[in-house]
Amino acid sequence: GQQVMQIPQYQHVQEGEDFTTYCNSSTTLSNIQWYKQRPGGHPVFLIQLVKSGEVKKQKRLTFQFGEAKKNSSLHITATQTTDVGTYFCAGIYNQGGKLIFGQGTELSVKP
Amino acid sequence: DAGVTQSPTHLIKTRGQQVTLRCSPKSGHDTVSWYQQALGQGPQFIFQYYEEEERQRGNFPDRFSGHQFPNYSSELNVNALLLGDSALYLCACSPRAANSPLHFGNGTRLTVT
Repeated sequence: GQQVMQIPQYQHVQEGEDFTTYCNSSTTLSNIQWYKQRPGGHPVFLIQLVKSGEVKKQKRLTFQFGEAKKNSSLHITATQTTDVGTYFCAGIYNQGGKLIFGQGTELSVKP
Repeated sequence: DAGVTQSPTHLIKTRGQQVTLRCSPKSGHDTVSWYQQALGQGPQFIFQYYEEEERQRGNFPDRFSGHQFPNYSSELNVNALLLGDSALYLCACSPRAANSPLHFGNGTRLTVT
């Protein structure tokens, strides 16, 4: 079925360490989006990946879309306390289809 | 996101009651989706409205219904509330273009006792 799995569920890091969250689907995705939700807040769009093997960077954040368009990752280099929050991947299986969210990875950063 | 307004912010209801949640989308956004987010979980798609019609629906019972008005604002109605309906209800808006990023409101925190 159309389900997006995300791991790990939680990640605790020391400030300055790197962080990675992974997203997997059993079937091919049309595209994938990433969102960040701060504690007590709402999801905020970060980026969208469309092409097979696509890599995009936003400052310390690197997003990848797998060659088979079934997996994706978000990597944060040298985490800061401002990176705290839950990171969600969300996939679309058909053009114009509904956006299906993963369970999220909650990142905490110890100063 | 600035411009996506949801009301009320918090609501407490009793099991069996009915509730209506409201959303006013960002200017220029005519497509409204509703999501349910339980504590510690990812948002779950309820349904999407465009041109005042329900276009897509997730795996939610008929107790969940909605409406979109000519000004693109939307309502989510839940009948016969269950304890398990307690969650954060998020409205997400986008322009009609396929696969557009979603702009979320701050949500309505519903507690069913």
